[in-house]
Amino acid sequence: DAGVTQSPTHLIKTRGQHVTLRCSPISGHKSVSWYQQVLGQGPQFIFQYYEKEERGRGNFPDRFSARQFPNYSSELNVNALLLGDSALYLCASSLSSSGNTIYFGEGSWLTVV
Amino acid sequence: GDSVTQMEGPVTLSEEAFLTINCTYTATGYPSLFWYVQYPGEGLQLLLKATKADDKGSNKGFEATYRKETTSFHLEKGSVQVSDSAVYFCALSEFTDTGGFKTIFGAGTRLFVKA
Repeated sequence: DAGVTQSPTHLIKTRGQHVTLRCSPISGHKSVSWYQQVLGQGPQFIFQYYEKEERGRGNFPDRFSARQFPNYSSELNVNALLLGDSALYLCASSLSSSGNTIYFGEGSWLTVV
Repeated sequence: GDSVTQMEGPVTLSEEAFLTINCTYTATGYPSLFWYVQYPGEGLQLLLKATKADDKGSNKGFEATYRKETTSFHLEKGSVQVSDSAVYFCALSEFTDTGGFKTIFGAGTRLFVKA
């Protein structure tokens, strides 16, 4: 069975540009969460979505947004990129909004230059 | 808010040595606790979890016990192997105000095991 899949795996953007990252959850999982992992640190929570509704938002600026589609896949969008947005962006899925074990994809490496 | 503190690394051990990675947490409720592992070049994988006080999670020879009285969830393994070299993250889950949950991670502890 496929795990959580993310695309693209690596990308380079210029300051001020916009980026869209995509995620498909494990089959049967209805909740998707997004995390940012800066080198040398633990992942930081950005968003959780369940049944297309936002169920949690971390301490990130409004430049970060996300959505979930009817097939439970999700997109993370970041506008007006800053150098400090360079990080590994991790998507995780779980069975439900309260089922608290999450399973991660391999992430999308974003470099902002 | 809730938080997780784990011992700083790197931790360097010889093969077959005993491993302990300390983890303590602060939480207003009774969160579930987790250890995740990140092998070189790979994504985060769930290693083990415990959902209530005195529960012991175990997997691949690793174990950790949920200690409410000391707010700790230390990771142990009796005999490490070179293949255990990775970064280990302690984490807890916390409910959000809008009916969801988030996972809060420690900073990670890098383990090197020498042959």
